[in-house]
Amino acid sequence: DQQVKQNSPSLSVQEGRISILNCDYTNSMFDYFLWYKKYPAEGPTFLISISSIKDKNEDGRFTVFLNKSAKHLSLHIVPSQPGDSAVYFCAASAVDYKLSFGAGTTVTVRA
Amino acid sequence: DAGVIQSPRHEVTEMGQEVTLRCKPISGHNSLFWYRQTMMRGLELLIYFNNNVPIDDSGMPEDRFSAKMPNASFSTLKIQPSEPRDSAVYFCASQPPSTGAETQYFGPGTRLLVL
Repeated sequence: DQQVKQNSPSLSVQEGRISILNCDYTNSMFDYFLWYKKYPAEGPTFLISISSIKDKNEDGRFTVFLNKSAKHLSLHIVPSQPGDSAVYFCAASAVDYKLSFGAGTTVTVRA
Repeated sequence: DAGVIQSPRHEVTEMGQEVTLRCKPISGHNSLFWYRQTMMRGLELLIYFNNNVPIDDSGMPEDRFSAKMPNASFSTLKIQPSEPRDSAVYFCASQPPSTGAETQYFGPGTRLLVL
């Protein structure tokens, strides 16, 4: 059974606006969470992460929020740019090497 | 560095045929992962090697799947016999020693279609 879920398969946003991607998880042992970005015909690349001891991590235009009680995390992209159009995967880890991924959300940034 | 290299990039085969996917990890990386991506389930870890030794193969779907890592610079994922439900994108990733999961570098993937 999938332990990491991204319930929105797609998101369309206007350039300059905020993109909010959501992710839910079921395994309370997860203590590290990551977001990956994937362009067509390429492998996923690491974007940003957060440890379970934090509730927010920011890196430039990208911010990840973690709500442990709700077992929910979100990725905010502000402002959205055309180059952000990609598939975004949420991932979680309880063991050092083992990542559990969500199904991905396809983001389209409209000019 | 050329990154993680996977071959072939695309593979079309008929049900029942043997399929072999290949991966060359980044030099110096001692961990190697095989993932499968499907629309419904996203990325799933199939098998994890550390220092060429399989550590976790709990994600391998069934006996039709096998993986080997004969040396630090090469790994294969074999499906025999292949079935239409094996159609997916298969990614190989490698990771340097003593680092966290965020340092997993993914290859471009092999898109497999089994007819």
